[in-house]
Amino acid sequence: KAGVTQTPRYLIKTRGQQVTLSCSPISGHRSVSWYQQTPGQGLQFLFEYFSETQRNKGNFPGRFSGRQFSNSRSEMNVSTLELGDSALYLCASSLYSSSYEQYFGPGTRLTVT
Amino acid sequence: QQQVKQSPQSLIVQKGGISIINCAYENTAFDYFPWYQQFPGKGPALLIAIRPDVSEKKEGRFTISFNKSAKQFSLHIMDSQPGDSATYFCAASTNTNAGKSTFGDGTTLTVKP
Repeated sequence: KAGVTQTPRYLIKTRGQQVTLSCSPISGHRSVSWYQQTPGQGLQFLFEYFSETQRNKGNFPGRFSGRQFSNSRSEMNVSTLELGDSALYLCASSLYSSSYEQYFGPGTRLTVT
Repeated sequence: QQQVKQSPQSLIVQKGGISIINCAYENTAFDYFPWYQQFPGKGPALLIAIRPDVSEKKEGRFTISFNKSAKQFSLHIMDSQPGDSATYFCAASTNTNAGKSTFGDGTTLTVKP
């Protein structure tokens, strides 16, 4: 089975711009969670989607949003980028929202200049 | 409020030695405790996990010890190898929010040949 794929792998944006990141979960997996990883804050939960519905949201400003499509693929969007948004954005997929095992993708490295 | 505290921040072990990483949690609702291994440029990979109804779980050279009363769990890597050099994260989640993991800050392990 193919693993979790994330596109793009690297991205450079300017402050004030917006960005959309994509995640394709493992085939058959229906739950997708997003995390932000930074050296200072570690791995922080952003949100989780299951069956096109947001089930959980972390403590991030409204500039961070996401959605899930009927094929379980998910996107996250960050509007009005700030320097502090520079991070590795990780997507994890699970079979169901009740499944504990999460499988991470390689991440998208976002640099905001 | 950091709900999962991990120590040490970094660890250097000789080849063949035992690596021990510790985590402590605060939320007694946590009921799933995984460990992840992350290599540079990669996403975290699920290594081993434990539920609170057992005190120890072993998979190959990796063992989780769990102390429910102390709210602590640890990862032991026996016969550590240079290929084990990576960053290790402990995490925790609840059955009502299985897709939302709370992570420790990570431990950078270096195994010297």
